[in-house]
Amino acid sequence: DAKTTQPTSMDCAEGRAANLPCNHSTISGNEYVYWYRQIHSQGPQYIIHGLKNNETNEMASLIITEDRKSSTLILPHATLRDTAVYYCIVAGGDKIIFGKGTRLHILP
Amino acid sequence: DAGVIQSPRHEVTEMGQEVTLRCKPISGHDYLFWYRQTMMRGLELLIYFNNNVPIDDSGMPEDRFSAKMPNASFSTLKIQPSEPRDSAVYFCASSLSISTNTGELFFGEGSRLTVL
Repeated sequence: DAKTTQPTSMDCAEGRAANLPCNHSTISGNEYVYWYRQIHSQGPQYIIHGLKNNETNEMASLIITEDRKSSTLILPHATLRDTAVYYCIVAGGDKIIFGKGTRLHILP
Repeated sequence: DAGVIQSPRHEVTEMGQEVTLRCKPISGHDYLFWYRQTMMRGLELLIYFNNNVPIDDSGMPEDRFSAKMPNASFSTLKIQPSEPRDSAVYFCASSLSISTNTGELFFGEGSRLTVL
């Protein structure tokens, strides 16, 4: 079973930052937070992951709270191509289980 | 690298027929995963392999489903006999490891199966 809770859907205006929240209150010390996204009819695509420090790459930033019970994925300048389902996953060196994710709509 | 390659991309078959889906993982990846996606159940992990050996098949729905990995560059998912409720998109993914620090999954484009 997925160990995370995400909103079902969110809207964001094009050009603005998209902030996608995720709750993972039962996360264990050795578990990482992963984010993937799935654009319509394609396979999921890895975005970013982290343990406890904030992480940034060319796609996004990941902010993890100090108690590690929640995190936020930030897409700094959302474009229409960022419309997708975003999955927050907690995994500890084991199989990766996907939940329902957040459907992000980028509005022109 | 060409990425994870799946075939066929689309298959339409009749109930009772055998279906074989194929996957070629990224060269050098030690882990291979089969997922199934439907509107009702989302993305479900069916089975995964490490170094060609099945590690966890607890997600395989029933005995009609079987998966093999005869070598490091090829895996099959077979459904025999197929039923309409097996209609779904089947994804294959590979990974260098499942270490929490390097366990990024690379997905193929999926095989869309329709069983009439």
